[in-house]
Amino acid sequence: GAGVSQSPSNKVTEKGKDVELRCDPISGHTALYWYRQSLGQGLEFLIYFQGNSAPDKSGLPSDRFSAERTGGSVSTLTIQRTQQEDSAVYLCASSSGLAGALTEQYFGPGTRLTVT
Amino acid sequence: GENVEQHPSTLSVQEGDSAVIKCTYSDSASNYFPWYKQELGKGPQLIIDIRSNVGEKKDQRIAVTLNKTAKHFSLHITETQPEDSAVYFCAASPYGQNFVFGPGTRLSVLP
Repeated sequence: GAGVSQSPSNKVTEKGKDVELRCDPISGHTALYWYRQSLGQGLEFLIYFQGNSAPDKSGLPSDRFSAERTGGSVSTLTIQRTQQEDSAVYLCASSSGLAGALTEQYFGPGTRLTVT
Repeated sequence: GENVEQHPSTLSVQEGDSAVIKCTYSDSASNYFPWYKQELGKGPQLIIDIRSNVGEKKDQRIAVTLNKTAKHFSLHITETQPEDSAVYFCAASPYGQNFVFGPGTRLSVLP
């Protein structure tokens, strides 16, 4: 189908609530990445999935953040007990490359999260 | 870990002039250097990339150069047009795994 899709496009939540953000990568892409982009800032790496390998979680900022990738396709980023500093755009990207291959990342449009 | 710096943070050029954005990286293991263009409200889009075994790559009005010894790489846009106005990000990656991005450059092309 089309490119990487993310839902919802916008999410407003109250401080302390949990949120789930969804990413549908391009069909057949084995690698999936989550990034966070604060207003006017660069992209902060959060987590990387590659095939069936254990994910690289080195970028997750706290244990309130977790992500899953089911069946090697759809991924969900979960933020528990949200804080105001979690407000940002969360971007997902996928690529077709196997580990060690250098292939293009395709980004989704992002989910804008606002914690009030 | 890898650290990527990017300069300038903002850049204004007259339409038709050239624009140059420079990035430096710290990890010698990085071997893949993509450049992304991000328009307002959209995700970043790859515009050009370079691998560590190449010193320069060109695609129409866009070119990228890489100096592995000095650990820096640059984006060159010639004959700029208003539609080139966007935020540009450089990134460095070892083998396409973790990508570390620069903080971005906001380019404005003035008519």
